[in-house]
Amino acid sequence: GENVEQHPSTLSVQEGDSAVIKCTYSDSASNYFPWYKQELGKRPQLIIDIRSNVGEKKDQRIAVTLNKTAKHFSLHITETQPEDSAVYFCAAQGRANSKLTFGKGITLSVRP
Amino acid sequence: GAVVSQHPSWVICKSGTSVKIECRSLDFQATTMFWYRQFPKQSLMLMATSNEGSKATYEQGVEKDKFLINHASLTLSTLTVTSAHPEDSSFYICSARDIEGRGGSYNEQFFGPGTRLTVL
Repeated sequence: GENVEQHPSTLSVQEGDSAVIKCTYSDSASNYFPWYKQELGKRPQLIIDIRSNVGEKKDQRIAVTLNKTAKHFSLHITETQPEDSAVYFCAAQGRANSKLTFGKGITLSVRP
Repeated sequence: GAVVSQHPSWVICKSGTSVKIECRSLDFQATTMFWYRQFPKQSLMLMATSNEGSKATYEQGVEKDKFLINHASLTLSTLTVTSAHPEDSSFYICSARDIEGRGGSYNEQFFGPGTRLTVL
């Protein structure tokens, strides 16, 4: 089955700097890659997603890039703000309507 | 749109009792719902995939006789933790996939707010 690796487990950046979070996946058939933000005790929130037929997608301060050859995808947050502090999970999904496999998550801390 | 609710939001029970958690899609129909468990500082672990009108598909290592799933309608799935023990204490989260593929992405899962289960 699919295996999603997410490293490191924590990341600390200064407010205003950029943050990059990387994930790798194992199943070359995976075609959907969402990123979730989860605050303590709350549900995961989809912040951006990308399909395998696209290399990059951007939404204001957030962007995701996908390298199918290397089987890795990255979340880019620019101009970070303290409210960006949370746990971020990447995930991968194979064929349409199949299950999501989540990475272990990374705790992002944005220092004021 | 695309709202998923869970009830209860938290529950405390004694060891050996059973607890039922409801997951509802409020403004869309969902043929597929997913049940996850999340321990503190860990990722979401899929327990089972719930399909309306059929038996749930459980992930390896998840006891189907302990975690009973019923998906009787296109808007409701329930998870019953039977004979709960302290090690079952966790954050249980459901998600639902819109049958019509709303939300900007046909694959998107919409998550419920979670249920915090504490077994004494």
